[in-house]
Amino acid sequence: QVQLEQSGAEVKKPGSSVKVSCKASGGTFSTYTVNWVRQAPGQGLEWMGRIIPIFGITHYAQNFQGRVTITADKSTSSAYMELRSLRSEDTAVYFCASGPYTSSPEYWGQGTLVTVSS
Amino acid sequence: QSALTQPPSASGSPGQSVTISCTGTSSDVGGYNYVSWYQQHPGKAPKLMIYEVNKRPSGVPDRFSGSKSGNTASLTVSGLQAEDEADYYCSSYADSNAGVFGTGTKVTVL
Repeated sequence: QVQLEQSGAEVKKPGSSVKVSCKASGGTFSTYTVNWVRQAPGQGLEWMGRIIPIFGITHYAQNFQGRVTITADKSTSSAYMELRSLRSEDTAVYFCASGPYTSSPEYWGQGTLVTVSS
Repeated sequence: QSALTQPPSASGSPGQSVTISCTGTSSDVGGYNYVSWYQQHPGKAPKLMIYEVNKRPSGVPDRFSGSKSGNTASLTVSGLQAEDEADYYCSSYADSNAGVFGTGTKVTVL
């Protein structure tokens, strides 16, 4: 069973960037797709993008094109999500999620709260 | 990519069944058999309950079942239990290798 451990909470200024990490243990990291999903306070889930670590292929949601970069490091079984030009509306819990089923991640990180505030 | 449409709320008494709908388009729900359902309790990460329309991951009770017809998918929870009270989200693979979630449904056990 894969376990995903995310980096800690962040407080950022508008216009800055944030990079959240997600380290996998207990399973085959590179062959599973890693998705990033966010959830604003009291709101629903929003898919941001994914990476297939073994190929380095990425797909991004249109809403985040040009503002988000997802990377992976197979040597450390880690994935990263960087979001730039932060605004207050980006305040949310960011989850990484992975697993063997196509487009249906089974394993989720604990979430990382990113607060954007001046 | 617009969010899939779910009813905001659903409810049922213990032992009853509740069905949640998830309506998309031919570019997502209707075009692919990659619809999944997640359960989320407050302050927790989502939990996968159904994948590929009607398959259950190991450990998910068979009280949870999924189906799809055209552009609408459905999740049925039979034999409702108190611990089923949670938010439920559908999700689908979509055109251009995208993913999309539903708007979410709060299930209340009366």
